[in-house]
This record gives sequence, structure tokens and C-alpha cells, in this order.
Amino acid sequence: EDKVVQSPLSLVVHEGDTVTLNCSYEVTNFRSLLWYKQEKKAPTFLFMLTSSGIEKKSGRLSSILDKKELFSILNITATQTGDSAIYLCAVAVTTDSWGKFQFGAGTQVVVTP
Amino acid sequence: DGGITQSPKYLFRKEGQNVTLSCEQNLNHDAMYWYRQDPGQGLRLIYYSQIVNDFQKGDIAEGYSVSREKKESFPLTVTSAQKNPTAFYLCASSIPGHQPQHFGDGTRLSIL
Repeated sequence: EDKVVQSPLSLVVHEGDTVTLNCSYEVTNFRSLLWYKQEKKAPTFLFMLTSSGIEKKSGRLSSILDKKELFSILNITATQTGDSAIYLCAVAVTTDSWGKFQFGAGTQVVVTP
Repeated sequence: DGGITQSPKYLFRKEGQNVTLSCEQNLNHDAMYWYRQDPGQGLRLIYYSQIVNDFQKGDIAEGYSVSREKKESFPLTVTSAQKNPTAFYLCASSIPGHQPQHFGDGTRLSIL
């Protein structure tokens, strides 16, 4: 059974802190790993990672994948209150001729002023 | 602007009643998905569809049904057989081939 585990489940930090979120996976037919941010309603896409060791960066957010140890981390530096959200990790797996996505439970991040 | 529209935003179901959640997209995406989100459990796949008139069960399809008569539309019916329907339902679409999904704003379903 495909499994994606995120940790921690929740955390509270102060503005300006750095946050590291973890996503580990055990799946067959791994294709890629994706990170999403969900503030109130619709998750919005952050990163898609397919290769080990290559960091993807967007502003204060960055992410990297380790396909040998089967995990990814999402870093947020100099956090702001607008970073408060649920961060979802999803792994794309291949079934049939195309794939589906296995999601983790998410990490709730609260950034206090 | 292209996007996914889910309606209604809030829905209440009476015992024994079927209800239908709407999902429309104008992104010209072939693949569409329905997910259920419960607190602390992330997103669980209910049904997905790659092309018109074809769809597949996800991990938690029991008590739900879908149709895909048009590329733009993928409605989800929550039947009376679904005994615990209270949840947040998200519709998504994508280009097939493991590309990032675009999500709607969701429908929150509660039991009266």
C-alpha cells in the first residue's frame, strides 16, 4: 500500500523563524513529488520534484528530494504571517497508463507576529 | 481567467438524501479528480477521470458516484449509502501524466 507521511503534523513559529517540513514516502512506481499550500480552500501548487539532490527555489521557499532515502523537505525562511497554511505533500505514482497522487496528511503551520 | 468552479460552497444533506456537487473547469484539462478532505487525514481520492465517458474508482469510492459526459464537467453525487459524508470535498483537474493539479475552492458538506 502506498504511503506518504508528513511531519510534524503542526507547528507554531514566530515571524522571521525558519521552518523545515518533512515528507517521507513508501510507494511503488514513484514518478514525482509535489508540494502544495492550502490556506483556506483550494491547495495551490508550489513545487514538483523528480530528481534527487536538485533544489527548487521560489522566493523564501525551497525544496529538495532524496530518492535514495525516500523523503523530501520544504524549507521556509524568514517566515511571515502569510505563510500560515496547511502544506501538503503528494507523490505521483504510476498505475495503468497514467498516474494518480497519494497525499500526506499535511502539516499545519501557524506563524505568529 | 481559466480555473475550476465548484458549487455550492456549503451543502446540507438530510438522512436518506442524495446530493450532487458540481465541478466545472475551463482549463481544457483531460483529467479530473474528486478528493475528500477530513481533519488530520489529508486528501483521499474518491474518483478520477482521464477522458469523457470514462472514470475510475479511487481509494474511497463507496457511497459516491460520478459522471463525465462533458470534458468540462465532473459532478459528484454523494448517495444515501455514504454514512459519514460530512467533509470538505475538492475537485481538481490536470493534464494527464502526473502534472500538477489545479484545485477548486471546495464544497463543505454537512448532515442536517
